[in-house]
Amino acid sequence: EDQVTQSPEALRLQEGESSSLNCSYTVSGLRGLFWYRQDPGKGPEFLFTLYSAGEEKEKERLKATLTKKESFLHITAPKPEDSATYLCAVQAGQAGTALIFGKGTTLSVSS
Amino acid sequence: GAGVSQSPSNKVTEKGKDVELRCDPISGHTALYWYRQSLGQGLEFLIYFQGNSAPDKSGLPSDRFSAERTGGSVSTLTIQRTQQEDSAVYLCASSFSGRALNEQFFGPGTRLTVL
Repeated sequence: EDQVTQSPEALRLQEGESSSLNCSYTVSGLRGLFWYRQDPGKGPEFLFTLYSAGEEKEKERLKATLTKKESFLHITAPKPEDSATYLCAVQAGQAGTALIFGKGTTLSVSS
Repeated sequence: GAGVSQSPSNKVTEKGKDVELRCDPISGHTALYWYRQSLGQGLEFLIYFQGNSAPDKSGLPSDRFSAERTGGSVSTLTIQRTQQEDSAVYLCASSFSGRALNEQFFGPGTRLTVL
C-alpha cells in the first residue's frame, strides 16, 4: 500500500535555528513528490515538485531534497512567518492521479 | 490570474440534511480533484475529474457522496443525509493535465460542520 509518513509531527524553533523536516514514502512507480505549506484556515500552497532522486529545489529559506525513500525540507535561519504546517505528498502511477498526503509537520518559529 | 475558489467557506448543517459544496477551478485547468481534511488527519482523496473522461470515484467513502462537473469547469460535491463524521474541511484542487507531472493548486476549502 502506498504510504507517506512525515516527522516530526510538530517542531518548535527559535528564530534563526535551522532544522529539517522529513517525509518518508513507500510507493510503487513514483512520478513526483510535492511539498505544500498550509496556514490555519487556508488551503495548501504549492512549494516544490521533485521528480527524481538527487534533485534539489530552493526557495528563499527553504530547500527540498529527494532520495529514493525520503525527502527533506531544510529550513535555514527560519523566521516567525515560516510558521505553518508543511505537507508532503506523492503522486504515483499514471499522470494526473490523486496525491497521497502525509499528515504534515506543524512548525512554530518564535522570535 | 484567479486561483481556485470554493463556496461556501463555512457550512453548518443538521444531521440528515443534504449539502452542496462548489468549486471553481483555475481557468484552463482540465483536471479537478476533491479532498477531505479531517482534524488530525492528512488530506484524503475523494474524487478526480479529467476532461470528458469518467471520473475516478475510488476515494468516495460512501454512496451518500457524489460529485458532478459541468461544462468541464465548475464542480459540485453533494453529501446526502449528512452524518457527524462528515464534519471536515473539503478542499478542491485543479491542475493542467497537459504537463507530464501535475502540480495541483488548492482552493481555500469549505469547512463543514454537521450538528
